[in-house]
Amino acid sequence: DTEVTQTPKHLVMGMTNKKSLKCEQHMGHRAMYWYKQKAKKPPELMFVYSYEKLSINESVPSRFSPECPNSSLLNLHLHALQPEDSALYLCASTGVGMGNEQFFGPGTRLTVL
Amino acid sequence: SQQGEEDPQALSIQEGENATMNCSYKTSINNLQWYRQNSGRGLVHLILIRSNEREKHSGRLRVTLDTSKKSSSLLITASRAADTASYFCASAFTGGFKTIFGAGTRLFVKA
Repeated sequence: DTEVTQTPKHLVMGMTNKKSLKCEQHMGHRAMYWYKQKAKKPPELMFVYSYEKLSINESVPSRFSPECPNSSLLNLHLHALQPEDSALYLCASTGVGMGNEQFFGPGTRLTVL
Repeated sequence: SQQGEEDPQALSIQEGENATMNCSYKTSINNLQWYRQNSGRGLVHLILIRSNEREKHSGRLRVTLDTSKKSSSLLITASRAADTASYFCASAFTGGFKTIFGAGTRLFVKA
């Protein structure tokens, strides 16, 4: 299985809602990433987990809370978001020693009202 | 900004022509990668070139890397309408998982 899956595909939420984005891979990759991408912009790195431990947090606001329950799963918990957080959220994974070649999921299109 | 820069921002060509995109980055890298993204979808890895390599080929793709100039180029030969997409370079840094994406080039290939 060479696929990264993300759910849901689309999410609309109010500023007071709590929701979660999910990402899954079964390629045995031990590094997983969350990126945020605004329209016509490149992906911006948010978090990196390596061996289920948070290794990079790019000064992301605390209303975004990542979680890596096991080596195959990565969650992004959302709470009290702002309309400017509306974006495409991409998950990616890479194997250690693969030179950071990343496999991306299709993304979750998030709209915050 | 830590982002690399890419040029051109947008490129429109006819089918069969070659497309060249350039990327510059700011700090020493372990390798540089090129990705493709169709509108609003996930990125697809195209090719990776290591810091000790100068040129790499994969099918219709040719990538060069000049570490002295901190720049790379992606050449797509004999372009097809299906190559229409955004192309991003991504620089990966030594000793970690951090990857920084360039601003991207939007390629339009007209049939």
